[in-house]
Amino acid sequence: DAGITQSPRHKVTETGTPVTLRCHQTENHRYMYWYRQDPGHGLRLIHYSYGVKDTDKGEVSDGYSVSRSKTEDFLLTLESATSSQTSVYFCAISESGRVGYEQYFGPGTRLTVT
Amino acid sequence: KQEVTQIPAALSVPEGENLVLNCSFTDSAIYNLQWFRQDPGKGLTSLLLIQSSQREQTSGRLNASLDKSSGRSTLYIAASQPGDSATYLCAVRGEGSSNTGKLIFGQGTTLQVKP
Repeated sequence: DAGITQSPRHKVTETGTPVTLRCHQTENHRYMYWYRQDPGHGLRLIHYSYGVKDTDKGEVSDGYSVSRSKTEDFLLTLESATSSQTSVYFCAISESGRVGYEQYFGPGTRLTVT
Repeated sequence: KQEVTQIPAALSVPEGENLVLNCSFTDSAIYNLQWFRQDPGKGLTSLLLIQSSQREQTSGRLNASLDKSSGRSTLYIAASQPGDSATYLCAVRGEGSSNTGKLIFGQGTTLQVKP
């Protein structure tokens, strides 16, 4: 298994509070991604990073920000959590080269906003 | 805008049966296609990745094919087992996103293999 950890694994928070989710990798992969998974919508890309301090928006980026100060860590922040952000959040990593950007996923964080 | 569809949404088969899962995409300009497995409450496990220049990839009892021009991929599972029960997702990477690796996912096929 790819060395990807996510923390926390479960979190319950109240509407309006800030929340930060952490993704940590030990593979030294260049690319990192944050997705959310919701019934009826499947997996959707929130933000991604193509290097330290290099990030860009995905399909559903409103209400989220990210930071990557080290190769191994990619943080997702909900500035002011809303009930619509209740979801399961997955981090993924990939690298170019022989396997052509094959993506590997972390175990997920289940976030509930009450 | 690329859209990925997986049919059927759910499938139930008896153990030992060979089966095919389908994935279709609307824009044939893809860089590659990846099949994943997801067990309940777990993350995604990569099964197979097919580059746009390839026709198929095999891993054990799994075989994935790609027909880029028609916008279709199939995942063939031979001699299904109860342990194959899971949700199977396909995802495509567009040619324009070759330098970022962004994936567009289908909504998955949930497979149940009955003993």
